[in-house]
Amino acid sequence: NAGVTQTPKFQVLKTGQSMTLQCAQDMNHNSMYWYRQDPGMGLRLIYYSASEGTTDKGEVPNGYNVSRLNKREFSLRLESAAPSQTSVYFCASSEEDGVSGYTFGSGTRLTVV
Amino acid sequence: AQSVTQLDSQVPVFEEAPVELRCNYSSSVSVYLFWYVQYPNQGLQLLLKYLSGSTLVKGINGFEAEFNKSQTSFHLRKPSVHISDTAEYFCAVSQYGNKLVFGAGTILRVKS
Repeated sequence: NAGVTQTPKFQVLKTGQSMTLQCAQDMNHNSMYWYRQDPGMGLRLIYYSASEGTTDKGEVPNGYNVSRLNKREFSLRLESAAPSQTSVYFCASSEEDGVSGYTFGSGTRLTVV
Repeated sequence: AQSVTQLDSQVPVFEEAPVELRCNYSSSVSVYLFWYVQYPNQGLQLLLKYLSGSTLVKGINGFEAEFNKSQTSFHLRKPSVHISDTAEYFCAVSQYGNKLVFGAGTILRVKS
């Protein structure tokens, strides 16, 4: 099925460890996004990539880095995980103008202990 | 800057009753408005969207929403809910070419 694929689905890290969340879309979308979801706070934008070769900070970028590897793939890296980064992470993609809405992946549930 | 306020964090309702989930937004320019649904342990799925034109928008699963520019609202409604509608619902706003800004979400609990 066409869509957005995220890996892994679940991950437990120790404080200070690093990891990369992977995201790939096969809809030929130009724009891709990383959000985190926390109870009672909705989804908050971490980073986004309006097009291949560009990335920009969102609302909560501290502690994260991203790479737009090509048009399909957009990865999110935690260099030194902290308990405050325990969350559910969603990747999404859209047409450049955003009018069709976003297509979301199924999420990565990350726990930092 | 845009912002979205979902006025109820949880809405309990009995099966086959009508429901309204409220959403207000703030923006000084024309916006696009969306409702997404998230079933347990899943990603977000687009329910409906308002871009322009008719203020009453129909979506999937029998949901509809009405855009009210004067009240800056975009409330979601369904005339008769089913147990399977139990989920979290998110209102979101964007401007042309800009990022979606989400509300905090409303959990709809349908009881039998």
